[in-house]
Amino acid sequence: EVQLVQSGTEVRKPGESLKISCQGSGYSFISYWIGWVRQMPGKGLEWMGIINPADSDIRYSPSFQGQVTISVDKSISTAYLRWNSLKASDTAMYYCARMGVTASPFDPWGQGTLVTVSS
Amino acid sequence: QSVLTQPPSLSGAPGQKVTISCTGRSSNFGAGYDVHWYQQLPGTAPKLLIYVNNNRPSGVPDRFSGSKSGTSASLAITGLQAEDEADYYCQSYDSSLSAWVFGGGTKLTVL
Repeated sequence: EVQLVQSGTEVRKPGESLKISCQGSGYSFISYWIGWVRQMPGKGLEWMGIINPADSDIRYSPSFQGQVTISVDKSISTAYLRWNSLKASDTAMYYCARMGVTASPFDPWGQGTLVTVSS
Repeated sequence: QSVLTQPPSLSGAPGQKVTISCTGRSSNFGAGYDVHWYQQLPGTAPKLLIYVNNNRPSGVPDRFSGSKSGTSASLAITGLQAEDEADYYCQSYDSSLSAWVFGGGTKLTVL
């Protein structure tokens, strides 16, 4: 079974750093891109960026460029999303999802990681 | 404002048919990029519902169908059931933004 499993709920204070993870299994990890999607409370889905595990080629949404860092460790089939200095407005659910070629769908999705940033 | 435009909400009675629209641009649908649809049940992660305009993944009932024409796409749900109450999102690729884009989402209520 193709599966993406994300790390657990995080609670941080403003200004702190954070790295969440997304581990793939049941398929060739380097053959598919991994994307990250934000969903703020009560809001819709926003594409943040995407990484090719084979060569670490990364594309960021202009809205998130410079705000987060996407990386991957293909030796353990895991992609990461990192913040250097969290803001309260980063409070959201974050999903990873697998994607094939450029115009293919995101499937499957991870279960989501809830990040709460509060003083 | 989302690049792909969906109605914020829709409702229908059990057994009825509803259609969710998704309006794009010349840089996404008009450029030939496909549309995909996702269903997000309350408190869960999105799930692929329709891919490449009109294809259903294994396990998705044939009550769900998709279409795309020009710069518009739509998702139709026939024989509406209580379990269909969810948020639905369209998604594509936009060549002018060089970005993957989602519609704003449509909240479907089954009356």
